[in-house]
Amino acid sequence: SQTIHQWPATLVQPVGSPLSLECTVEGTSNPNLYWYRQAAGRGLQLLFYSVGIGQISSEVPQNLSASRPQDRQFILSSKKLLLSDSGFYLCAWSSSTGELFFGEGSRLTVL
Amino acid sequence: AQSVTQPDIHITVSEGASLELRCNYSYGATPYLFWYVQSPGQGLQLLLKYFSGDTLVQGIKGFEAEFKRSQSSFNLRKPSVHWSDAAEYFCAVDTTDGNKLVFGAGTILRVKS
Repeated sequence: SQTIHQWPATLVQPVGSPLSLECTVEGTSNPNLYWYRQAAGRGLQLLFYSVGIGQISSEVPQNLSASRPQDRQFILSSKKLLLSDSGFYLCAWSSSTGELFFGEGSRLTVL
Repeated sequence: AQSVTQPDIHITVSEGASLELRCNYSYGATPYLFWYVQSPGQGLQLLLKYFSGDTLVQGIKGFEAEFKRSQSSFNLRKPSVHWSDAAEYFCAVDTTDGNKLVFGAGTILRVKS
């Protein structure tokens, strides 16, 4: 069966510091991968999605970037965090029928 | 562009009472529709989905949803709510553009005993 892992689960970082959130999927090959951000009361905002290695599409201009160095690995990064980057970040992969399967999320607090 | 509206930010129901969470979507074609549930601090879990066919779909945990094309709605229902159902619920539509889901803002369900 397929599983998805993301880490770290919780992160507290100062403004201006770098960020790296990692996500890996097991049990499937060539999945579509996604990074969503969830801010309180604002639902889920799609940040990036990837249909293959090295193929990244950005949905909104922002301070973040994403990379897919391997088929089942998806990384969310920032060189310098802003206060507004605080939130709950969710990685997901999609099946051939379009439904998303989510990781457990990473809570980022920027101080 | 596709959009999803969940009109109720918060809903409180008594344990054992029935529940209906509203979802309206904007999409030109027949959509793929989903309901997800999120417990605090956790990821989202799929409750049910509609692709085609029977407009009343059954999901996990006793939930069901009905697709009404004329009303552009996909409301989630449960006949008898349990305290463990307290969570945030998200409706989503598939844009069929790279399988990207568009989510509503969510409805927080509180269950009182």
